[in-house]
This record gives sequence, structure tokens and C-alpha cells, in this order.
Amino acid sequence: EADIYQTPRYLVIGTGKKITLECSQTMGHDKMYWYQQDPGMELHLIHYSYGVNSTEKGDLSSESTVSRIRTEHFPLTLESARPSHTSQYLCASSYAGGTEAFFGQGTRLTVV
Amino acid sequence: SQQGEEDPQALSIQEGENATMNCSYKTSINNLQWYRQNSGRGLVHLILIRSNEREKHSGRLRVTLDTSKKSSSLLITASRAADTASYFCATASTSGTYKYIFGTGTRLKVLA
Repeated sequence: EADIYQTPRYLVIGTGKKITLECSQTMGHDKMYWYQQDPGMELHLIHYSYGVNSTEKGDLSSESTVSRIRTEHFPLTLESARPSHTSQYLCASSYAGGTEAFFGQGTRLTVV
Repeated sequence: SQQGEEDPQALSIQEGENATMNCSYKTSINNLQWYRQNSGRGLVHLILIRSNEREKHSGRLRVTLDTSKKSSSLLITASRAADTASYFCATASTSGTYKYIFGTGTRLKVLA
């Protein structure tokens, strides 16, 4: 089992709510990533970080924001959730870019 | 889009048969990795092949890489029902950003 954890696993919220998806890893990895994945579909990189105070937008435009104040923590925030945000969100980390990536179990978000 | 493509999109075989999945990508790479995803879960790393390698084995897995054709294949020998999952290839580019670009995935179903 990888030492990377996402909470919550499942979340159903109403439109307009602010939410934060948590991701923590205990491996001391500098690199962390957020992917969005619709059911049965490919993964799209929405945010990544090379270390503390470093965040970059990924290839898929997202209305979410991220922060990296501590090495082990990489939360993703949606200020105002909409039904179009309904998806699975996967967090990952790696020791170095291009090495094995470790994934959390994912958060399945449903916005009603 | 930098996304790679995998084929077939779905594959159904009998237990004991071999399963072959192919991946094509678009950019120059440092390495290519294969991941497995059980339904509704995160991804698990299976194997990494570097750009200067042509073939690699790990247990029942055999991966080949052809950088001239920008393609890779994953062979699972003597498949088991427990191999039922989605399989993704991921590339780490030489662009310096070390983002993981995932393919579209192959959904494998192994029938007992």
C-alpha cells in the first residue's frame, strides 16, 4: 500500500458550496499531482507541484486551486462547486519527476 | 493534446490466455510506465521502461518499447480473473517538466 491518503473518498454536495479535497503523503516526496478522471476515461492533469510553495496548472483547465505549504500536504479547493465538477479526483506523488508515481484511492465528487 | 492512445479500448479474454495492450504516444520521452486501476480506485504502478531499453519483464508482465514508432506494448501472460482492471500507460517527457501524461486506457476483463 502506498502512503498517500485522500479524504473524503466520496462527497456529495450542493451547487455553490466551497469544498476542499485533502491529499497527504508520508513518503517525503517533493512532487505531487492532481488528476481528474471521468468514469472509464483517461486521466487529465489539473495541478502539480515540485515542492513547498510551488504550484503549476496542468494540461486541463480547472476552476480549482491548490496550495503547497507543507511537503506532505497538497489540498485542492473548489470555491463554488458546480455540477460540471462532478468527477473523480486522484492525487499522486513521486520522489522525482518521471519516477514511479504513487496514487491515493481517489475522491469521487458529485455536485447536485 | 499530449495524451497518448491505447488500444484496444476494451479486451475480454478467458482465464489462462495472454492479454496484449498497446500504447502510442506523441512526445520524446525519458521513460514509459504502465499502471493498473481497479474499478473506482487509484492507480498502481506496474513497470517502468527507460527510453534506451527495448524490453523488460516483471513476473507475468512483459513490456516492449519502440521509440522510433513511439509505441509500447504490455503483455500479461496466463491471465487470471484478478487481472481484471483498466491498464494505462504513462510517459514522462524530456521537456523538463516531468509531468506524467496518461493514455486513454485499456479495460481488461478476464473471464473465469
